[in-house]
Amino acid sequence: EPEVTQTPSHQVTQMGQEVILRCVPISNHLYFYWYRQILGQKVEFLVSFYNNEISEKSEIFDDQFSVERPDGSNFTLKIRSTKLEDSAMYFCASRKGSSNEQYFGPGTRLTVT
Amino acid sequence: AQSVTQLDSQVPVFEEAPVELRCNYSSSVSVYLFWYVQYPNQGLQLLLKYLSGSTLVKGINGFEAEFNKSQTSFHLRKPSVHISDTAEYFCAVTDTNFGNEKLTFGTGTRLTIIP
Repeated sequence: EPEVTQTPSHQVTQMGQEVILRCVPISNHLYFYWYRQILGQKVEFLVSFYNNEISEKSEIFDDQFSVERPDGSNFTLKIRSTKLEDSAMYFCASRKGSSNEQYFGPGTRLTVT
Repeated sequence: AQSVTQLDSQVPVFEEAPVELRCNYSSSVSVYLFWYVQYPNQGLQLLLKYLSGSTLVKGINGFEAEFNKSQTSFHLRKPSVHISDTAEYFCAVTDTNFGNEKLTFGTGTRLTIIP
């Protein structure tokens, strides 16, 4: 069964550094999402992406964040200058156009030191 | 804006006993409702969803949930739990309007099965 994949599974970075989290959505899906889960807290929506542009973003998704679909398969989340409070599990999800179900990847644990 | 409340942060249950995990939501518009499960060190897996039609929906692993519009609830149930059901369970809602499909999650309920 096709699944969403994410790399790396764990990323450690120093405060102020740039990180890129990578996701490969399911191949025939059209809508893409990033969510994050700070340890012990709920999963929070960051951004949705459709037709090569952002369709919605949360207040968390400030100018330090950006998303890109650089080719036909990858979907990336970039954090320009990481802060301690960016430490979290980041989940990518994708959805077919005809369905309401979002399929989630296994997540990337980002640790900012 | 929508919100989801999962009042029980932790629920311990003996193996083979029934369980109910509570979920209440708040929304000014029609919603779709979902339950996701997160096993240790894994991503989120859809258990079941309510989009329309019958208010009782069945999902994977023997779980079911009932949508109650008047009480704005979507409680998750299983008649007999197994050790393998130990996980975190998240209730989520999304707007039914096209283009507003972001998921709003509750804080989760950790289900622990006692042998």
